[in-house]
Amino acid sequence: QQQVKQSPQSLIVQKGGISIINCAYENTAFDYFPWYQQFPGKGPALLIAIRPDVSEKKEGRFTISFNKSAKQFSLHIMDSQPGDSATYFCAASPSGSARQLTFGSGTQLTVLP
Amino acid sequence: GAGVSQTPSNKVTEKGKYVELRCDPISGHTALYWYRQSLGQGPEFLIYFQGTGAADDSGLPNDRFFAVRPEGSVSTLKIQRTERGDSAVYLCASSPGTGASEAFFGQGTRLTVV
Repeated sequence: QQQVKQSPQSLIVQKGGISIINCAYENTAFDYFPWYQQFPGKGPALLIAIRPDVSEKKEGRFTISFNKSAKQFSLHIMDSQPGDSATYFCAASPSGSARQLTFGSGTQLTVLP
Repeated sequence: GAGVSQTPSNKVTEKGKYVELRCDPISGHTALYWYRQSLGQGPEFLIYFQGTGAADDSGLPNDRFFAVRPEGSVSTLKIQRTERGDSAVYLCASSPGTGASEAFFGQGTRLTVV
């Protein structure tokens, strides 16, 4: 059972544009929602994370929007840059921490110069 | 080292063979996690350690998979009687404790079973 559904599978954005990646979850016990960025040949790196007590969190050009009632959360990358080209994974955990993360299937983002 | 180190980077083995994958976590991190990432998919949880003990091994797919962390630092993932379906990137991550919100991942070991 896929507990975290991620879309789109791939995304192409022009430099300076906004990249939006969406995730939906099923398990209401999830209480920690991180986004990871992964470059080819590297392990995932934490980008930004949110807990369900807030609806939005912003760090620089990256924003997470969280809708608890809809069980959805999304990543917005403002002013997208070619260096942002990578695979992005949403994830969720029931423990409020990095323990036992369930990942989405990933979105391959390409930012055109 | 400064980050999580995994060796080898690549491992090719024949079907039926035994393999060991090693993970050196960040110094002082008590929590250690193993994940498996198949091509085009997100990482899939296998097991996590708090100190020397396996606190949760619910993600191990079957009894061919086993992991140890005898001194609470380096961990080894062991796969017996490898199958072609075991081919994947095996990722290790560590964090200061199981209550910590950030897990730091290594670059992974790409296992290919031929």
